[in-house]
Amino acid sequence: KAGVTQTPRYLIKTRGQQVTLSCSPISGHRSVSWYQQTPGQGLQFLFEYFSETQRNKGNFPGRFSGRQFSNSRSEMNVSTLELGDSALYLCASSLVLVHEQFFGPGTRLTVL
Amino acid sequence: GIQVEQSPPDLILQEGANSTLRCNFSDSVNNLQWFHQNPWGQLINLFYIPSGTKQNGRLSATTVATERYSLLYISSSQTTDSGVYFCAVGRDDKIIFGKGTRLHILP
Repeated sequence: KAGVTQTPRYLIKTRGQQVTLSCSPISGHRSVSWYQQTPGQGLQFLFEYFSETQRNKGNFPGRFSGRQFSNSRSEMNVSTLELGDSALYLCASSLVLVHEQFFGPGTRLTVL
Repeated sequence: GIQVEQSPPDLILQEGANSTLRCNFSDSVNNLQWFHQNPWGQLINLFYIPSGTKQNGRLSATTVATERYSLLYISSSQTTDSGVYFCAVGRDDKIIFGKGTRLHILP
């Protein structure tokens, strides 16, 4: 069974731009979660989607948004990028909510 | 909300040594996972262990849910074991990660 895939793997943007990251979960998994990882803040939960509905949201500004499609693939969008948004963005999939999670390789975003 | 504390925060060992990493959580949980994050950032599943003991090669884990802690044992460490080890607990529609233990295995 193929693992979780994330695209793109690396991204360089400038302040003020917006970015969209994509995550394809393991086949059959219906829950997708997003995390931001920075050296200073560790792993921080962004949001979780299940059956195309956002079920949980972390403490991030409204510039961070996401969605899930009927095939369980998910995208997250960050608008009006700031330098502090530079981070590794990780996506995880699980069969159902709050269950064993499997992570993708991450997207490393650099904001200049 | 639930607090998850991992100890020690940093650990430096010689190749071949054994180690024990600890994860304490402040309230009852539905599940618990251990992950290893390699130098490239990939989080690799080690154990899904809400309770009891599991073993996989040189690694084993024990969760004592009633006492709110879990232990990860690494025996005969290898340099490839270096990285950050995270524990994550699940409860009430949320998964909470600890801050991790950074392990350095010296050749």
